[in-house]
Formats: sequence, C-alpha cells, structure tokens
Amino acid sequence: AQSVTQPDIHITVSEGASLELRCNYSYGATPYLFWYVQSPGQGLQLLLKYFSGDTLVQGIKGFEAEFKRSQSSFNLRKPSVHWSDAAEYFCAVGADVEYGNKLVFGAGTILRVKS
Amino acid sequence: DAGVTQSPTHLIKTRGQHVTLRCSPISGHKSVSWYQQVLGQGPQFIFQYYEKEERGRGNFPDRFSARQFPNYSSELNVNALLLGDSALYLCASSIGLAGVYEQYFGPGTRLTVT
Repeated sequence: AQSVTQPDIHITVSEGASLELRCNYSYGATPYLFWYVQSPGQGLQLLLKYFSGDTLVQGIKGFEAEFKRSQSSFNLRKPSVHWSDAAEYFCAVGADVEYGNKLVFGAGTILRVKS
Repeated sequence: DAGVTQSPTHLIKTRGQHVTLRCSPISGHKSVSWYQQVLGQGPQFIFQYYEKEERGRGNFPDRFSARQFPNYSSELNVNALLLGDSALYLCASSIGLAGVYEQYFGPGTRLTVT
C-alpha cells in the first residue's frame, strides 16, 4: 500500500534560517510527489510537484524539493525562512489508476517561525 | 480565474442527520476528488469522479456517497452522521485523473456533528 511518512510533527526555525522538512514515501511504482501548504482554517496550496526528470524541483515562494529514489525521500527545503511561512506542510504521493487514483498524504509538519 | 469553490463554509449537524456538501471545480477541470481532514491529521481520500464516473474510492463506509454533474460540479453526501464525521471536508479538482495530475484544493467545509 502507498504511504507517506513525515517524521517531524513540529519544527521551529528562526526567521532567516534555512529549513528542511522531511518526507519518506512507500509506493510500488514511479511516484508522483507533491508538497502542499495549509494555513490555519484554509485549504491546501500546491507548492511544487515531481513527476519525472530533474530530481531537484523548484516551487513557489522560494521552496525547492529533491527526489532521492534510493532513499525514498522527497525533502522540502528553503534557504531563508520568512515569518509568513509559518503553516502546516503536507507531503503527498500520487497513486495512479492501478493504485486508486488518489493522493495519499502524510500527517503533516507544523512549522513555527520565531523572530 | 476562480479557484475551487465549496459550500457551505461551516455546518453544524446533529447525530443521525444527513448532510450535502457542494463543490465547483476550476473551469476546464473534469476531475473532482473529496478528502476528509480530521484535526491534527493529513487529508484522507474519500472519492474521485472523472467525467461523471466514480474512478476511485477510499476506505469509507457506505454512508458516504458522491456524484458529479454534467457541469463537473460535485456533491458529497453523508447519511446517519456520527460524531466522528466532524472534520474539514476538502474538494480538489484536476484536469485529469487525480494522482497523476496536480490537484487544486478548495477552502473546505467545516462540519461539526453534535
């Protein structure tokens, strides 16, 4: 079965510091991978996606993620965090028709930014 | 362009009642998916509809049902509500089948069952 693990429930970083959010996935084929961000009481906004090709993908708001097949990981990074980045971040793997046509989400990582 | 819209924004129901949630996808998107997000957890997949046909179903009881209309909007119905159905219900649309194409989410409907 497909699954996504986000090992860190909470992360606190100082404004201006770098950020890395971890994501590990389990999937039986070439994965489609996504990172979403959710502000309190709101829906999910797509930050970036990996379908194939270059393993380092760029997204919105200065975020990037690197796909590492050997480690089954898709970690999200940002070189300098802004206070407005405080939110909850979800990693997801896309399951195609063979696996149910759906997104399987991790439990999320709550990012706190201290000034 | 308008994003995914959902109605209502908030809803309070009593155990045993029925609820209908509505979703309008982004123009041109033919796929609508529904997710349940319980507080403190990631979204859980309920259904996907593509071109008005069910193309995926999550591990939810038969009390949950959905449909997609000719204009690609969708309804999620939940019968015999339980306290555990209290959650944020998210609708997402995509150009093609979910999982392969990126999905865009609406703001959600917050359902509280008392």
